[in-house]
Amino acid sequence: EAQVTQNPRYLITVTGKKLTVTCSQNMNHEYMSWYRQDPGLGLRQIYYSMNVEVTDKGDVPEGYKVSRKEKRNFPLILESPSPNQTSLYFCASSSPRGGETQYFGPGTRLLVL
Amino acid sequence: AQSVAQPEDQVNVAEGNPLTVKCTYSVSGNPYLFWYVQYPNRGLQFLLKYITGDNLVKGSYGFEAEFNKSQTSFHLKKPSALVSDSALYFCAVRDWAASGGSYIPTFGRGTSLIVHP
Repeated sequence: EAQVTQNPRYLITVTGKKLTVTCSQNMNHEYMSWYRQDPGLGLRQIYYSMNVEVTDKGDVPEGYKVSRKEKRNFPLILESPSPNQTSLYFCASSSPRGGETQYFGPGTRLLVL
Repeated sequence: AQSVAQPEDQVNVAEGNPLTVKCTYSVSGNPYLFWYVQYPNRGLQFLLKYITGDNLVKGSYGFEAEFNKSQTSFHLKKPSALVSDSALYFCAVRDWAASGGSYIPTFGRGTSLIVHP
């Protein structure tokens, strides 16, 4: 089954404790991206990747890091989480061969205390 | 630069009535336009898209959208709403002429559709 998986689905942590949210897709998609969803603000892009070893900042990259060492994986790293990073995070993948339709993961709900 | 606006935070409609969720966009070139739906506690799901061709695009679950270049709009419509259509709807745009930058679309803030029985 074609899908995007994220782990963990729920995470409670404390300020400053490094964490990683994993994202994996099995569709051989070139493009991957991370979004955060906040009430009243909709979906905002954090980072995106056009292919392996190619990443770039989105609209709200501060406090986040990403890497793309393999085509299928695109982890989101919070080196020193802060309470303003409490949010719902979505990973998505797409391909120009597929008309750029994005496939979204189920989301990761993060609470930073 | 690319941007998209969804002017309504919430749309209320009675079951069986037609519904419209509005979206306007801004791009420097030609747009790729998308609609996605998010049901409670779920990720976003693709509904339909416009890339080129017929201005009226048909998608999943009986939804359709009309691309209007002069009004830079891409409103989502359905002839007869169902209670099960109640969800959060997102419009997204990608500038076809984007170069040296993101090929990832920009999303609107979302419109909550509530269909009353």
